[in-house]
Amino acid sequence: QKEVEQNSGPLSVPEGAIASLNCTYSDRGSQSFFWYRQYSGKSPELIMFIYSNGDKEDGRFTAQLNKASQYVSLLIRDSQPSDSATYLCAVKGGSYGKLTFGQGTILTVHP
Amino acid sequence: DTGVSQNPRHKITKRGQNVTFRCDPISEHNRLYWYRQTLGQGPEFLTYFQNEAQLEKSRLLSDRFSAERPKGSFSTLEIQRTEQGDSAMYLCASWTGTGPTDTQYFGPGTRLTVL
Repeated sequence: QKEVEQNSGPLSVPEGAIASLNCTYSDRGSQSFFWYRQYSGKSPELIMFIYSNGDKEDGRFTAQLNKASQYVSLLIRDSQPSDSATYLCAVKGGSYGKLTFGQGTILTVHP
Repeated sequence: DTGVSQNPRHKITKRGQNVTFRCDPISEHNRLYWYRQTLGQGPEFLTYFQNEAQLEKSRLLSDRFSAERPKGSFSTLEIQRTEQGDSAMYLCASWTGTGPTDTQYFGPGTRLTVL
């Protein structure tokens, strides 16, 4: 079992729809969770982090965390073509805070 | 621009050659990480520095790989006797590490192609 797993893609949604990206993790002691966006050929760019159970909203983005189920999700409302990218879920852990990433989910928002 | 810089941005080399990459973190960040990302995968942790001390290394970091951070500022990652399997994006990230919400900021990466 991989330490961090993301729902297999690619995911395609129409412009204006809600995109839902999911991630599960295996280390129950994990405390901090991050969503990065990565455009083709570029480095990961932080979108949001969450460390408390529940929802956290930032503009069109909402991160959801359920530690009991070891599940993190990212919702993107009113999806735009510019949101088309690979979305990476990352979990911070270990003694020195290294990030463990999922394999990424490719999102395509079509006009 | 996150403030983390990496050079070169692209490197093409022939198998068997040595290559060296440089990372300049955000100046006040004492923690520095190297990750490697291959096509279609998420980044994988390679090694971690706190100031000049290398405190953690991944099993991915074979004996052909060496990393340094001599004065606790910039860091270098060297790959000796490169192999085609080393072709990847090499990412550097830095952070202050002061709390659970503190985040890692990535540089633009160095894309290595081994022919």
